[in-house]
Amino acid sequence: AQSVSQHNHHVILSEAASLELGCNYSYGGTVNLFWYVQYPGQHLQLLLKYFSGDPLVKGIKGFEAEFIKSKFSFNLRKPSVQWSDTAEYFCAVNENTGGFKTIFGAGTRLFVKA
Amino acid sequence: GAVVSQHPSWVICKSGTSVKIECRSLDFQATTMFWYRQFPKQSLMLMATSNEGSKATYEQGVEKDKFLINHASLTLSTLTVTSAHPEDSSFYICSARVGSRGEKLFFGSGTQLSVL
Repeated sequence: AQSVSQHNHHVILSEAASLELGCNYSYGGTVNLFWYVQYPGQHLQLLLKYFSGDPLVKGIKGFEAEFIKSKFSFNLRKPSVQWSDTAEYFCAVNENTGGFKTIFGAGTRLFVKA
Repeated sequence: GAVVSQHPSWVICKSGTSVKIECRSLDFQATTMFWYRQFPKQSLMLMATSNEGSKATYEQGVEKDKFLINHASLTLSTLTVTSAHPEDSSFYICSARVGSRGEKLFFGSGTQLSVL
């Protein structure tokens, strides 16, 4: 069965530190990859997505993610975090078959110290 | 962006009663909606895929007779938890799919169900 694994459940960083959140998925077919973010008290919202093409994708608010097919990974990065990036981040995958249902990782809670 | 409205946001009910949760797409039509369940400190677990005008598709291990899903229109899907028990207490989230490949999901604000 398809699954998504996020390596860190909690991350604490100081402002201006660099961020990398790991995400691995287990599926050998064609997949679409996503990062969603949930700010405190708000809905989940899309941060960025990868469908095809350049494996380095850029999203909103300075985030980017790199798809490495050989490693089944889609890690999220940001060179310099801000206090406002404090949120929970979810990696997600859907597949081209099976109705494009989206499966989520367990989430990583990021806390950025001002 | 598109808005998905979910109601109620919080409900407390007695064991054995049924609870209905509504999920509406306010400014777009959603032929497909998804229902998720989230336990504390855990990820969103997909329960079922709700397709307008047809029966929902349930994930393995989800009781279709307990979690009734109706998607009668392009803007409304409902989840009814029948004969609720304390173990059904959880956070339920709906989402609407936009794009033929699920390019984007728009999420409701969630419903916290507490069964006493």
